[in-house]
Amino acid sequence: ILNVEQSPQSLHVQEGDSTNFTCSFPSSNFYALHWYRWETAKSPEALFVMTLNGDEKKKGRISATLNTKEGYSYLYIKGSQPEDSATYLCAFLDGGATNKLIFGTGTLLAVQP
Amino acid sequence: DTAVSQTPKYLVTQMGNDKSIKCEQNLGHDTMYWYKQDSKKFLKIMFSYNNKELIINETVPNRFSPKSPDKAHLNLHINSLELGDSAVYFCASSHLDRPSTDTQYFGPGTRLTVL
Repeated sequence: ILNVEQSPQSLHVQEGDSTNFTCSFPSSNFYALHWYRWETAKSPEALFVMTLNGDEKKKGRISATLNTKEGYSYLYIKGSQPEDSATYLCAFLDGGATNKLIFGTGTLLAVQP
Repeated sequence: DTAVSQTPKYLVTQMGNDKSIKCEQNLGHDTMYWYKQDSKKFLKIMFSYNNKELIINETVPNRFSPKSPDKAHLNLHINSLELGDSAVYFCASSHLDRPSTDTQYFGPGTRLTVL
């Protein structure tokens, strides 16, 4: 059974704080790691797809790093804003021919003004 | 403009009924998925179809049957609904041949409530 774990489970920060979350995944048979942003009452939206060890991706104030050898990825948010409040999901692509994504349980971020 | 659409958005029904949820994507993707968001907000894959062929079939009760009339549609039919089927069901789509670069695009979800 493949496990994808995220920590912390939830996080409350003040506007302007920078924050980061962790995603742990199996380090063997790695194909890709996806990060999604999921606002309440909406559908998950893709942030990044990361494939290579040492990858760093950035979108605005959000960035992510990938370590496939040790099986973790960090998501960073610089200068959090209230609109960043959402659940951040990582998903491990279980390789092979099926594109099966194994999702973590997510980190719920609440940014207070 | 909607990329992945699902109908209905809300579905309230009695135990024992049979119901269907429809999903359509206009992104030209060849693969579609059904996910269930359980009570702990956890997203779990149920089924996936590639060009109308079933490629992922997780351990779900056989009361759940996906049907893909063409690669732009993947419907989910549920027989003899039970209380435990209450959840939000999400449809998604992607390109199968670009697993390392292409993300999955999700529909808005269907909240199913079984009374």
